Amino acid sequence: EVQLVESGGGLVQPGGSLRLSCAASGFTFSTYWMHWVRQAPGKGLVWVSRIKSDGSITSYADSVKGRVTISRDNAKNTLYLQMNSLRAEDTAVYFCTRDRDLSTWGQGTLVTVSS
Amino acid sequence: QSVLTQPPSVSAAPRQKVTISCSGSGSNIGSNYVHWYQQLPGAAPKLLIYDNNKRPSGIPDRFSGSKSGTSGTLGITGLQTGDEADYYCGTWDSSLSVVVFGGGTKLTVL
Repeated sequence: EVQLVESGGGLVQPGGSLRLSCAASGFTFSTYWMHWVRQAPGKGLVWVSRIKSDGSITSYADSVKGRVTISRDNAKNTLYLQMNSLRAEDTAVYFCTRDRDLSTWGQGTLVTVSS
Repeated sequence: QSVLTQPPSVSAAPRQKVTISCSGSGSNIGSNYVHWYQQLPGAAPKLLIYDNNKRPSGIPDRFSGSKSGTSGTLGITGLQTGDEADYYCGTWDSSLSVVVFGGGTKLTVL
């Protein structure tokens, strides 16, 4: 069974940092582009970042560029999102998802930025 | 606001049909595939339609998709109360080099 499981969310103060993880199983992780998508409470889906299967290409939404870094460890079948200089508007559930059509989604991990 | 435009809400009675539109531009829908996602209350999104009109395994044929020019449409027939959810369209934007979504459409089955 294809599965994505996010972790690492929590409460962080403005200006703080957090690293999210996404553990993949049930498919050949190293052959897929992976993405992070977020959803603020009561709001719609917003794409955050993507990374190529071998990690050689990354891209980011303007709203997080310079503050967020996506990475992956294909040996550990794990996707990461390092988030720095967090702001209140980064508060959201963060989902990892795979492939160009975002075919499989994790359950999400909640990040709350508040003092 | 979202790059892709969807109606905020639609409603219909059980067993009826409904369509949800998704309007974009030449750099997104006009030159890339449209995908549709269903998000049930309290759940993660799920891929419903990919590549304009294809259904993943396990998605009933009550759900269909189409694309014309810079717009995509999701159709649902034989509505059930279990179809009440938020529906999102999404695609790649070749000019912005980002994935873009519609703002979401809340379906109510009356």
